[in-house]
Amino acid sequence: AQSVTQLGSHVSVSEGALVLLRCNYSSSVPPYLFWYVQYPNQGLQLLLKYTTGATLVKGINGFEAEFKKSETSFHLTKPSAHMSDAAEYFCAVSSQGGKLIFGQGTELSVKP
Amino acid sequence: DAGVIQSPRHEVTEMGQEVTLRCKPISGHNSLFWYRQTMMRGLELLIYFNNNVPIDDSGMPEDRFSAKMPNASFSTLKIQPSEPRDSAVYFCASSPGTGGGEKLFFGSGTQLSVL
Repeated sequence: AQSVTQLGSHVSVSEGALVLLRCNYSSSVPPYLFWYVQYPNQGLQLLLKYTTGATLVKGINGFEAEFKKSETSFHLTKPSAHMSDAAEYFCAVSSQGGKLIFGQGTELSVKP
Repeated sequence: DAGVIQSPRHEVTEMGQEVTLRCKPISGHNSLFWYRQTMMRGLELLIYFNNNVPIDDSGMPEDRFSAKMPNASFSTLKIQPSEPRDSAVYFCASSPGTGGGEKLFFGSGTQLSVL
């Protein structure tokens, strides 16, 4: 079975500061890893994904994540937070079978 | 493309009533997913279909829940009878392929309130 753990249900940063959202996964097979973002009253949108190849993945809006197999992690980072980044972020894992499992989510607040 | 379309956007019903949620996936997509989102349990996968065939329904809470996909362009999630604990936002999502590395495209969700 696969699972995802997001450390911290709420993260608050100042505008311009580094954003770091943590995600650890559990999978008995090579995982596919994703980060999605959800703005209020909307569905989820894909930020980035890792399937194979380069372990540092760049996504939209300046976000990136690094797949570290030895640490079973896929943390999301952005060098400089913007007010518009305030949203809920979900890490997710799947495998060849297509079943996508989400973590509990981390709400990001950005202070002016 | 209009994206994944869910209806209704909001549903308020009384305990014991039947509720039907509808989803139209993106044309050409081969996989369809139903998720439920609550504050307590986060995003739960209820069921997913590949090429209109249910692949995994282990997330369906109980027999009161059923889902169908009669064709590639339409799916329903039915709750009968509904209970207050079913109150949640229900999302439908579709993806182009049937493998695990595909991007999911989400609808705007149905906010269900069972009184």
